[in-house]
Amino acid sequence: EVQLVESGGGLVQPGGSLRLSCAASGFTFTSCDMHWVRQTTGKRLEWVSGIGPDGDTYYPGSVKGRFTISRENAKNSVYLQMNSLRAGDTAVYYCVKGGYEVMTGPGPYAFDLWGQGTTVTVSS
Amino acid sequence: EIVLTQSPATLSLSPGERATLSCRASQSVSSYLAWYQQKPGQAPRLLIYDGSNRATGIPARFSGSGSGTDFTLTISSLEPEDFALYYCQQRFDWPPRFTFGPGTKVDI
Repeated sequence: EVQLVESGGGLVQPGGSLRLSCAASGFTFTSCDMHWVRQTTGKRLEWVSGIGPDGDTYYPGSVKGRFTISRENAKNSVYLQMNSLRAGDTAVYYCVKGGYEVMTGPGPYAFDLWGQGTTVTVSS
Repeated sequence: EIVLTQSPATLSLSPGERATLSCRASQSVSSYLAWYQQKPGQAPRLLIYDGSNRATGIPARFSGSGSGTDFTLTISSLEPEDFALYYCQQRFDWPPRFTFGPGTKVDI
């Protein structure tokens, strides 16, 4: 079955850290871009990181320097290490597969497979 | 940063009616726009990519159009399962950046 399954969410205090994991199955993981996208309680969606098949990583300014995406191809897994967490990082975090072309080049591109999400709450 | 604006915020319609959702970009995104549907308690699902291409398994009643800064998602005849949230999303290829619109809720 083609799927992404996230884990690792929970309650963490401001300034704390958390590591999310995502297990992929049913497709050729090693050749795919992978991403993390979060959704706030107000239903806004925000892309928070992406990693190419070769391990190159990309982040928006809001999380750069605090979040680190990584992948382990032997385990068909992608991770998100989140440090210095703030209340504004509270959200449902989705593991997402990029599709159609590569994220670093021109051409059609979209998030064509989503996990079910894992909830991160940053609160004291 | 490219900002996406969606209108209307809420669209109240009945089954069988036509739905027209708009997404406007603050600058040209070429055809690099996607649409997603999200139902309560579920993850978003890709409907349309590259402005007008339906993703695998998406019914023909969903269609996308537009390029540059103005895009439209049309649902030709609403089915009960189509009442949901719809988001547009653009990509910037270098450095890679992705942004989403605020969403349009289609409800009865």
